[in-house]
Amino acid sequence: DTAVSQTPKYLVTQMGNDKSIKCEQNLGHDTMYWYKQDSKKFLKIMFSYNNKELIINETVPNRFSPKSPDKAHLNLHINSLELGDSAVYFCASSQFRRDEQFFGPGTRLTVL
Amino acid sequence: TQLLEQSPQFLSIQEGENLTVYCNSSSVFSSLQWYRQEPGEGPVLLVTVVTGGEVKKLKRLTFQFGDARKDSSLHITAAQPGDTGLYLCALHPGGTSYGKLTFGQGTILTVHP
Repeated sequence: DTAVSQTPKYLVTQMGNDKSIKCEQNLGHDTMYWYKQDSKKFLKIMFSYNNKELIINETVPNRFSPKSPDKAHLNLHINSLELGDSAVYFCASSQFRRDEQFFGPGTRLTVL
Repeated sequence: TQLLEQSPQFLSIQEGENLTVYCNSSSVFSSLQWYRQEPGEGPVLLVTVVTGGEVKKLKRLTFQFGDARKDSSLHITAAQPGDTGLYLCALHPGGTSYGKLTFGQGTILTVHP
């Protein structure tokens, strides 16, 4: 009965590669988010989609491209990975204009 | 940009002790949330405080929202090893920025048996 799931849990890759992280929620929410948590545990929003429409787009390099095929899914594609992209990426979901966001377990990305 | 400062950054205590974590903003915020994150997991919402002066209790956790709505605190009574984790406060801006949470730096709490 997983609420927000992410795959993969761990991702180790070389600099310059392209990788994707997938997120799915079964809570019936209409809004999904991507957050990045750095090595100091600072958590910062990157993107948000409401009903498949991009509503929050923070200052994130163009190498990061989110895609929402439907309300239950939000994927994150990263091109030309750099060392600084190493972090834990969290997906979250909520009902639009509701307070609580539900977070996935995170994807730890390590770029070598 | 509204900033959140959280303190202390690290807290290491013995089981049974009390502790307080603070969260301060550079300006008034509409509502503030407290999350707890365990290792290898995502943050989980503990509480949302909205009204100035509001106090909410969740078992041994007491959350307070400052009268001026620029600060909040989390107090844990008789801490237990199970309280160990990362505690995060987050601004919930409301309005057109709805959903755009701004997090504090977090407090890493370790409770030793």
